[in-house]
Amino acid sequence: GAGVSQTPSNKVTEKGKYVELRCDPISGHTALYWYRQSLGQGPEFLIYFQGTGAADDSGLPNDRFFAVRPEGSVSTLKIQRTERGDSAVYLCASSLMAGTNTGELFFGEGSRLTVL
Amino acid sequence: QKEVEQDPGPLSVPEGAIVSLNCTYSNSAFQYFMWYRQYSRKGPELLMYTYSSGNKEDGRFTAQVDKSSKYISLFIRDSQPSDSATYLCAMTPNQGGKLIFGQGTELSVKP
Repeated sequence: GAGVSQTPSNKVTEKGKYVELRCDPISGHTALYWYRQSLGQGPEFLIYFQGTGAADDSGLPNDRFFAVRPEGSVSTLKIQRTERGDSAVYLCASSLMAGTNTGELFFGEGSRLTVL
Repeated sequence: QKEVEQDPGPLSVPEGAIVSLNCTYSNSAFQYFMWYRQYSRKGPELLMYTYSSGNKEDGRFTAQVDKSSKYISLFIRDSQPSDSATYLCAMTPNQGGKLIFGQGTELSVKP
């Protein structure tokens, strides 16, 4: 596709359940980022990948959150034992190459997670 | 205190007005400054990018960075209803992936 694709667009789950959110970046983009955006707030950095490896995971809030990018393209954000406070929009972005950082992150439309 | 402070608004202006949006920050290491626009239920999209201090103009948009005051601004001339969105400032200290965003300012331009 032409842009960053995120699935599902909406996910409602119960407290304590496991959730996976998928991101398909723009073809050829080597850097991939996950952000979390709560209502009325700006995006909050979670993790970014350069290729297959996590270059910076300092934003992951705790060990319930984990992300992978096994082949350097699609990434999955995994949340275990979900809590109501995890409810937010999870944004994925990609860029041609981290390290050049013109700021041109291309964002998807997000996955809206609601934990009941 | 947050690293980046931005007034959330909402800000409401009539069509054709000049809009001024701004952010302050505390980390003097920030070198790269950006403005993103986010429409409701959409992802942010890059509007302006500036390195270090100075001004940059692109059509109706002008970005200013004053590193001595740790203050950045975005001006929108001849504002249009289609400019109604949330505007996010973002910044980073060096070439790398971690952008720090402000809270975002919600702008409404009334016809």
